[in-house]
Amino acid sequence: DTEVTQTPKHLVMGMTNKKSLKCEQHMGHRAMYWYKQKAKKPPELMFVYSYEKLSINESVPSRFSPECPNSSLLNLHLHALQPEDSALYLCASSPQGGRNTGELFFGEGSRLTVL
Amino acid sequence: RKEVEQDPGPFNVPEGATVAFNCTYSNSASQSFFWYRQDCRKEPKLLMSVYSSGNEDGRFTAQLNRASQYISLLIRDSKLSDSATYLCVVGSSNTGKLIFGQGTTLQVKP
Repeated sequence: DTEVTQTPKHLVMGMTNKKSLKCEQHMGHRAMYWYKQKAKKPPELMFVYSYEKLSINESVPSRFSPECPNSSLLNLHLHALQPEDSALYLCASSPQGGRNTGELFFGEGSRLTVL
Repeated sequence: RKEVEQDPGPFNVPEGATVAFNCTYSNSASQSFFWYRQDCRKEPKLLMSVYSSGNEDGRFTAQLNRASQYISLLIRDSKLSDSATYLCVVGSSNTGKLIFGQGTTLQVKP
């Protein structure tokens, strides 16, 4: 079983809705990530938080807004999404922060459908 | 050129076969290398890290060639349960990013 917990597992939303994806880890990891994965494609990096600060934003549209309330939690706020944003959103954590790139521990993902 | 490249396959092999996957990377400052396995509609899971000296875990062997900037994964005595997508992941300290290759699909048939 994964030690990174994501909720909800499935989400259907309209283009005018506001929703949030949540991610939690209690392994004391110092870096947390959001990846987006479309069918038959690899995960694409969206955001990296290192020591609770946003360290990487891969030019993600502002309709996606990340938040790291504390070292164990990572949120992704969604607003005014488009149907092409439908995908599996994966949260991951890694023991080290900074520019160290160690093993990623993934949650099971939140499958998002935008109508 | 993509930062991390893999042959997407699919590789269709019989049970018991040996199969090898390669992955090339473009950032010469890359310093961490991994193979992940992803089953259909599941999250990626770490299969093995790849070290400069090469490493083996049961039927799986990973190798790193820094000069040619590629890593490889060898699977011996393939099992039906090995059917999955194998993702090459490369990390670079100059960017702080972990980048995925597009994945190689393996289908092991009876």
